[in-house]
Amino acid sequence: QKEVEQDPGPLSVPEGAIVSLNCTYSNSAFQYFMWYRQYSRKGPELLMYTYSSGNKEDGRFTAQVDKSSKYISLFIRDSQPSDSATYLCAMTGDRGSTLGRLYFGRGTQLTVWP
Amino acid sequence: NAGVTQTPKFQVLKTGQSMTLQCAQDMNHEYMSWYRQDPGMGLRLIHYSVGAGITDQGEVPNGYNVSRSTTEDFPLRLLSAAPSQTSVYFCASSYSTAANTEAFFGQGTRLTVV
Repeated sequence: QKEVEQDPGPLSVPEGAIVSLNCTYSNSAFQYFMWYRQYSRKGPELLMYTYSSGNKEDGRFTAQVDKSSKYISLFIRDSQPSDSATYLCAMTGDRGSTLGRLYFGRGTQLTVWP
Repeated sequence: NAGVTQTPKFQVLKTGQSMTLQCAQDMNHEYMSWYRQDPGMGLRLIHYSVGAGITDQGEVPNGYNVSRSTTEDFPLRLLSAAPSQTSVYFCASSYSTAANTEAFFGQGTRLTVV
C-alpha cells in the first residue's frame, strides 16, 4: 500500500463547476500538506501549502486537512479551462525519515471544458 | 533567476548504453532529488540528497547512480539503459526544513530507451 493514495481520474467538468480533489494517507508523521499543479509537458509547481489540520483559502482554491481521518482535499470554485492540469497531493513530516522528503500521490488529471 | 535546470530535455538511448542526466540549481537549496514519472504512477523518488556529499536511495533506485559533490549539481547516471527506464525524469530542489519544503522542479527530461 502506498503511503499516499489519490484517485488518478480522469475528471472532466464544465466551466464554472466546483471541483473536489482528494487524497488519503497512512503515515501519522505527516504534518505538512501540499497541492502541486502540473500542466502538460511541464514540471509540477506548488499551488497550496497547509500545516497540520484546518482550512486554507487562496482565491478560488481551498485546501482542507483532516488529520484525524488522514484525509486532505482541494476545492476549486468557478473552475476555468485554464485549471485543466494534473493535480498532485504531497506531504512531509518534521522528524525522522519523513523530514524534508516529499511523498506524492499519483495525481488527478482534470479537464475543464468551456 | 534560472531555478532548476535540467539537461537534456529529450534523449533516445539504445539498450545497454549509459548516460548522465544533468541537474543544477541556483537557489542554494540543501535538498535535491530525482523522480521518474510514468503514466498512472505519479512521481516516484529515485534518489535524493540532503547536502553535498550525502545521498540516499528512494523508492526506485535500481539501475541509477547519483553523487553530490557541490550544493548546486546533482547528476543522475543510468548505468546500462533498459526499456523499463523509458520515462520522464524530474529533478527538484528545496530547503530541507519541514516548514519550508516547497520543491522547485525542473522542466523534465524525456528519455526513451529502444
